Amino acid sequence: AQKVTQAQTEISVVEKEDVTLDCVYETRDTTYYLFWYKQPPSGELVFLIRRNSFDEQNEISGRYSWNFQKSTSSFNFTITASQVVDSAVYFCALSEGGYQKVTFGTGTKLQVIP
Amino acid sequence: DSGVTQTPKHLITATGQRVTLRCSPRSGDLSVYWYQQSLDQGLQFLIQYYNGEERAKGNILERFSAQQFPDLHSELNLSSLELGDSALYFCASSTRPADEQFFGPGTRLTVL
Repeated sequence: AQKVTQAQTEISVVEKEDVTLDCVYETRDTTYYLFWYKQPPSGELVFLIRRNSFDEQNEISGRYSWNFQKSTSSFNFTITASQVVDSAVYFCALSEGGYQKVTFGTGTKLQVIP
Repeated sequence: DSGVTQTPKHLITATGQRVTLRCSPRSGDLSVYWYQQSLDQGLQFLIQYYNGEERAKGNILERFSAQQFPDLHSELNLSSLELGDSALYFCASSTRPADEQFFGPGTRLTVL
């Protein structure tokens, strides 16, 4: 069975600090997809990134970066120079290849303090 | 705006009742997903359709059912409602299964 663990329930940082959100997953499949979504206080879910299990290359998009390590089954998300607008709940998710069931982690609530 | 629409935005009903939530996917998307988000259960995958066919089932109760119509819109039917069904119900769509999903604004269901 697939499982996603986001051990950090809440994180508070001061604006301009860097912050890393952890995601550990479990799957028996060799083909799978990992995702990060953002849910701001307004409630909508916003897609941030999708990564397949064969692509371990780290990705950077502006202030956001993702570190995918199959050896530790982790897909961590780092926000550099955090801003107040980054305050949200961030979800990591896993979808096993061949199936479309998506398992979400419990989310990490990030509060960026001005 | 993700391009996914959901109606209604809010729904208040009583226990034992039946409601229908509607979702229109992004133009061109064939996959539709339904999720339930509650404080105690988090974000739970319910069911997925691809081009009219059910493709995956998650933690969906037997009292709940869904379908995807030929025009690709989808409906989630919730019956014999209980207090615990109060939650935010999201619909999402993607071009193909396992592609990134784009979420609608959600329908907030309150069961009194």
